[in-house]
Amino acid sequence: QVQLVESGGGVVQPGRSLRLSCAASGFTFSSYGMHWVRQAPGKGLEWVAVIWSDGSEEYYADSVEGRFTVSRDNSKNTLYLQMNSLIVEDTAVYYCGRWFGQVVDYWGQGTLVSVSS
Amino acid sequence: QLVLTQSPSASASLGASVKLTCTLSSGHSRYAIAWHQQQPEKGPRYLMILNSDGSHTKGDGIPDRFTGSTSGAERYLTISSLQSEDEAAYYCQTWATGTLVFGGGTSLTVL
Repeated sequence: QVQLVESGGGVVQPGRSLRLSCAASGFTFSSYGMHWVRQAPGKGLEWVAVIWSDGSEEYYADSVEGRFTVSRDNSKNTLYLQMNSLIVEDTAVYYCGRWFGQVVDYWGQGTLVSVSS
Repeated sequence: QLVLTQSPSASASLGASVKLTCTLSSGHSRYAIAWHQQQPEKGPRYLMILNSDGSHTKGDGIPDRFTGSTSGAERYLTISSLQSEDEAAYYCQTWATGTLVFGGGTSLTVL
């Protein structure tokens, strides 16, 4: 069965960096684009970034453009999100999702990032 | 600009039916959307993709109690025979030029 497991979250000070990982299993990872979506405490879902199946294209939300970088290692079935220059407003649960057609059809359980001094 | 609008909250009684609405912004009435469910303290779960003609395809293991329908720019999620575990937030989602767009979500209370 399809599984997505995020890791790498934690508490970090403003201005610091963090790298999230999303380990995929149960499907051919290299055939699917992947998204990162976040959810601030008590808020709705906010799209963060997408990467094409072969890593050839990436797109970012305006709120993270220039600070976050999405990447993937298809040999390791793993998606990454490098987050630099973190700000308090980046505090959220971060989810990875498999992209199928126009939708995310599988989600991970999320990893919490807390940016605080 | 592509925007999805949802009512913040809804409620219905155990065993009853409820119809949730997601409205596409002007000029985008032919977009397909997806419905996702998020139970408290859990990650989202994909329910279905709903096309502009009302056809829909559900995700793995989604019960028949969940159905989708369409009218113009409105996309609906109907949940019948409500159960306590249906108490959750429901998000609609679409996409444009490599980005995902989410509605603000509807919090459903089962009375």
